[in-house]
Amino acid sequence: GAVVSQHPSWVICKSGTSVKIECRSLDFQATTMFWYRQFPKQSLMLMATSNEGSKATYEQGVEKDKFLINHASLTLSTLTVTSAHPEDSSFYICSAGLAGDYYEQYFGPGTRLTVT
Amino acid sequence: EDKVVQSPLSLVVHEGDTVTLNCSYEVTNFRSLLWYKQEKKAPTFLFMLTSSGIEKKSGRLSSILDKKELFSILNITATQTGDSAVYLCAVVGLTGGGNKLTFGTGTQLKVEL
Repeated sequence: GAVVSQHPSWVICKSGTSVKIECRSLDFQATTMFWYRQFPKQSLMLMATSNEGSKATYEQGVEKDKFLINHASLTLSTLTVTSAHPEDSSFYICSAGLAGDYYEQYFGPGTRLTVT
Repeated sequence: EDKVVQSPLSLVVHEGDTVTLNCSYEVTNFRSLLWYKQEKKAPTFLFMLTSSGIEKKSGRLSSILDKKELFSILNITATQTGDSAVYLCAVVGLTGGGNKLTFGTGTQLKVEL
């Protein structure tokens, strides 16, 4: 149980285009989902906390107009990287906690974004 | 600002060895400490620790938390090549915006034959 999927697994796009990444909790309802970014040989950095039905809470230094997060249902959150640039190339990972239990977070498999 | 420091940054051992990974932290309103194993993709959950001195065990892996000294260790006995991974420590702290997870930089473990 507690499976989180992400789509796509990897994406290559041209500079200036937008990319949408989906995060789904497959067998449980996640009131809260989290989006992380990980650069090579670095740890996970929290970008934003996404609560179903409300606006996402962004970490300091993360541009909310560039990284659009939508959490329309208890099983789906999306991250859209708008006007992507090469410096946005990274590994993006989402995680979801079981409803009522924040502490055990289950991670999606991640999405490798390369912007050329 | 919450901080999580892991040591060593990386280590190489031989199969059968025992390793101890360290995690120290400074966090406001500590809630829990989590250990994850990350291979090529996203981290997989290992342990959640909330109380001092109570060892959590799963097979050859075990972990314990010291809330007074603000650290945790992850032990792996009789290591196997399949244990090669980055081991991440994360701490949950309660902030004004709710619970927040802060990750350490990880320990890269390589187990050789």
